[in-house]
Amino acid sequence: AQSVTQPDIHITVSEGASLELRCNYSYGATPYLFWYVQSPGQGLQLLLKYFSGDTLVQGIKGFEAEFKRSQSSFNLRKPSVHWSDAAEYFCAVGEGGGFKTIFGAGTRLFVKA
Amino acid sequence: NAGVTQTPKFQVLKTGQSMTLQCAQDMNHNSMYWYRQDPGMGLRLIYYSASEGTTDKGEVPNGYNVSRLNKREFSLRLESAAPSQTSVYFCASSPGIFYEQYFGPGTRLTVT
Repeated sequence: AQSVTQPDIHITVSEGASLELRCNYSYGATPYLFWYVQSPGQGLQLLLKYFSGDTLVQGIKGFEAEFKRSQSSFNLRKPSVHWSDAAEYFCAVGEGGGFKTIFGAGTRLFVKA
Repeated sequence: NAGVTQTPKFQVLKTGQSMTLQCAQDMNHNSMYWYRQDPGMGLRLIYYSASEGTTDKGEVPNGYNVSRLNKREFSLRLESAAPSQTSVYFCASSPGIFYEQYFGPGTRLTVT
């Protein structure tokens, strides 16, 4: 069965520092991969997605993610974090057929001044 | 263009009461979903509707029913609420082709 693991429950970074959030997945075929962000009290918003092609994908708000098949990973990165990036981040994998998406448990990002 | 809307935003129920959570989308999406979010567990799929006229169980369907009223609307019903159903409920929709989902703002439900 498909699964998504986000090893870090929470991460704290200083404003201006770089960020990498880890995501590992288990899926037999080529996965459809997503990163979503959830601000407090809000629904989830899509940051970026990978379906095929270039393994480095760019998203909104300056985020990017790299698909590494050999490591079954899809880590999210940002070169310089802003205080407004403080939120919870969810990695997700789309099941074949596209009707089901499996979400990781989330990583909460704290940004310190 | 409101996207995905959910009503109500907050609800408190007593054990055994029933209620329906409403969801509507104005993006002409084919697929719609109901999730619950609990601390440390991410989002878990309750039910989904791949297209108008169809519904299927997700990961945690027990205690819930759904209705895909038309292409725009997808409701979630709790027939006899239990404290274990205290959660935040999210509705989402998807074009059905590119798989990303668009989420509503959520309903925070407390069952006492």
